Amino acid sequence: GEDVEQSLFLSVREGDSSVINCTYTDSSSTYLYWYKQEPGAGLQLLTYIFSNMDMKQDQRLTVLLNKKDKHLSLRIADTQTGDSAIYFCADHRENTDKLIFGTGTRLQVFP
Amino acid sequence: GAVVSQHPSWVICKSGTSVKIECRSLDFQATTMFWYRQFPKQSLMLMATSNEGSKATYEQGVEKDKFLINHASLTLSTLTVTSAHPEDSSFYICSASIPATGVDYGYTFGSGTRLTVV
Repeated sequence: GEDVEQSLFLSVREGDSSVINCTYTDSSSTYLYWYKQEPGAGLQLLTYIFSNMDMKQDQRLTVLLNKKDKHLSLRIADTQTGDSAIYFCADHRENTDKLIFGTGTRLQVFP
Repeated sequence: GAVVSQHPSWVICKSGTSVKIECRSLDFQATTMFWYRQFPKQSLMLMATSNEGSKATYEQGVEKDKFLINHASLTLSTLTVTSAHPEDSSFYICSASIPATGVDYGYTFGSGTRLTVV
């Protein structure tokens, strides 16, 4: 995860929007993913974006990609307590089948 | 669709013994599977990539003799931690590439195995 960085912690009030940021370094990234991990569980794919897209919206989730700055963000609208988890961005490198994970952001939602 | 089943969910073993973790694709053929290791409050570190019918490709720093990976069929990959020691205690997660014809694109993950070596 050293090539993909995330802030470690985010705390938001229920009903507010959450924005989780991710920066990556590899310019050959083809797809970028957001995964959610609840305690003691595996990873749940939330959404993904192709590297030639700027934005993707899926219900409460909005992904923004700034390829020039190698910056990816995930916005969760109307954040709920059930959204509390660790969120990982992951970078798929061209010509490999590997996913490189970010350091993870722990999202805590309080009432 | 594109479900990966990982067993066991947790295992406690004595130091020096070996532990096998299974990862099965339930409704698709997984040509490529991946094994990750996750330390508490840390990210997932890729250990190795396994392709059906061939030897696994290990990441730098991962001992191939200690972490034996077998991918003998299109639906099953196994990770065997040999001669386990307390420092091998970790959360191990498998993953598989989702076929391009699937609804979801990318990778699907098992639910993970928490290994504790005492």
